Amino acid sequence: DAKTTQPPSMDCAEGRAANLPCNHSTISGNEYVYWYRQIHSQGPQYIIHGLKNNETNEMASLIITEDRKSSTLILPHATLRDTAVYYCIVRVGGGSARQLTFGSGTQLTVLP
Amino acid sequence: KAGVTQTPRYLIKTRGQQVTLSCSPISGHRSVSWYQQTPGQGLQFLFEYFSETQRNKGNFPGRFSGRQFSNSRSEMNVSTLELGDSALYLCASSDQIILTSGRTQYFGPGTRLTVL
Repeated sequence: DAKTTQPPSMDCAEGRAANLPCNHSTISGNEYVYWYRQIHSQGPQYIIHGLKNNETNEMASLIITEDRKSSTLILPHATLRDTAVYYCIVRVGGGSARQLTFGSGTQLTVLP
Repeated sequence: KAGVTQTPRYLIKTRGQQVTLSCSPISGHRSVSWYQQTPGQGLQFLFEYFSETQRNKGNFPGRFSGRQFSNSRSEMNVSTLELGDSALYLCASSDQIILTSGRTQYFGPGTRLTVL
């Protein structure tokens, strides 16, 4: 089953790029990688997802390595409001037991 | 569009009681998933409903059950509450089954359940 590994915490200076890594070395070829964030125990907020190619939207960029064993979420200009727990998520299991697995996440703290 | 709503937002129960939580998805969304979040176990998938049918299920005991109505609203029930059931229960909606390729799910604010 695919699982994710993330650093427990990271700091980033306000205005600088925040680069959050995720290892998903056992991911299968047709599985997407999703990123969500959660602020103060609110509901997680969708950020971005990708399969093979790099992706960009108004919130962030997602860089996936060619072997798909890891990815990096990039917040190009971090603000104080980006302080949150960031989750890298993949699907595990098969059939009716298929589910999204949230790892322990990375607590990103944006410093003024 | 209004977001995902959950009621109640806070709930206190005692051991042995049962509880029912409600989730209204984003208009037009037919998939509702439920998650449990605790400090020790993190976010764990409970189950997903789509078009009134349970499509996927996580590793939780049978005390945890759910259902979905024809208007896509969903309820989750926990019977014979235990202290360890204290958690933030989150629901999320999507326009398709979330485990199909590339579907995004949108989370509600959660229901904070405390079991005494």
